[in-house]
Amino acid sequence: GDQVEQSPSALSLHEGTDSALRCNFTTTMRSVQWFRQNSRGSLISLFYLASGTKENGRLKSAFDSKERRYSTLHIRDAQLEDSGTYFCAALGGGADRLTFGKGTQLIIQP
Amino acid sequence: DPKIIQKPKYLVAVTGSEKILICEQYLGHNAMYWYRQSAKKPLEFMFSYSYQKLMDNQTASSRFQPQSSKKNHLDLQITALKPDDSATYFCASSQERVSNERLFFGHGTKLSVL
Repeated sequence: GDQVEQSPSALSLHEGTDSALRCNFTTTMRSVQWFRQNSRGSLISLFYLASGTKENGRLKSAFDSKERRYSTLHIRDAQLEDSGTYFCAALGGGADRLTFGKGTQLIIQP
Repeated sequence: DPKIIQKPKYLVAVTGSEKILICEQYLGHNAMYWYRQSAKKPLEFMFSYSYQKLMDNQTASSRFQPQSSKKNHLDLQITALKPDDSATYFCASSQERVSNERLFFGHGTKLSVL
C-alpha cells in the first residue's frame, strides 16, 4: 500500500530558530495535509495542498507539483507553542482515505 | 468552541463489553470519517461516509460498526471489546469526500480496554 515517510522522527530546537520537516511518499499523491497534535491529543489542521506552496504566519508548506512525491513544512522563528507532534497525511491514487506518516515530535526549548 | 464533538473524551471498558463512541459535527459537512491512533502507530483510516452512506471501509473486523442516524452524526459501535482495541478514536469530517477537501478532526475519544 501507499507509504508516507516522515523525517526527522524527533527534533529539539531553541526558540527563534528555523526548521524543516519533510514527508516522502512511495508513490504519487494527489494532495497532502499537515496537522499538529498538541499535548492534549487534539489534531489541528495546518495546511491542505493539492500543489504549490502555502504560508500562514511563521509556517510554510510546499508540495512538489512535478512528481508529487514529497512535501515540506518549514517553521520560521520557532516559539514554545509550536511544540507538538507534526503529521503529514497524503491522499493516494485509488482510495479516498488519508495515509498518515508516523509524525515528527518537535520540542521547542527556551 | 469545537465544531466536531466527540463523546465521551475518555472511556474505560472491560474485555467483552460493547461501547458506542459518539460524533457530531456542526460544520455543515457531507462526509464523515473515523480514524484510530494506537500507541506507536500512525493514525489509521477506518471508515468514510458520504451523505450517510458507507463509502470506504478499512477495518477488517465486523466488531466495528459505524452508525449514522442523522447527516451530521457518525457514531462508532464496538462490540466484544478486546485490549488491543485500546486507542484514541478520532472522528473527522470534510465538506465532500476527502478526495478534494480538507479534513477536520474532533478531539478524540481515548478508549482503554481492561
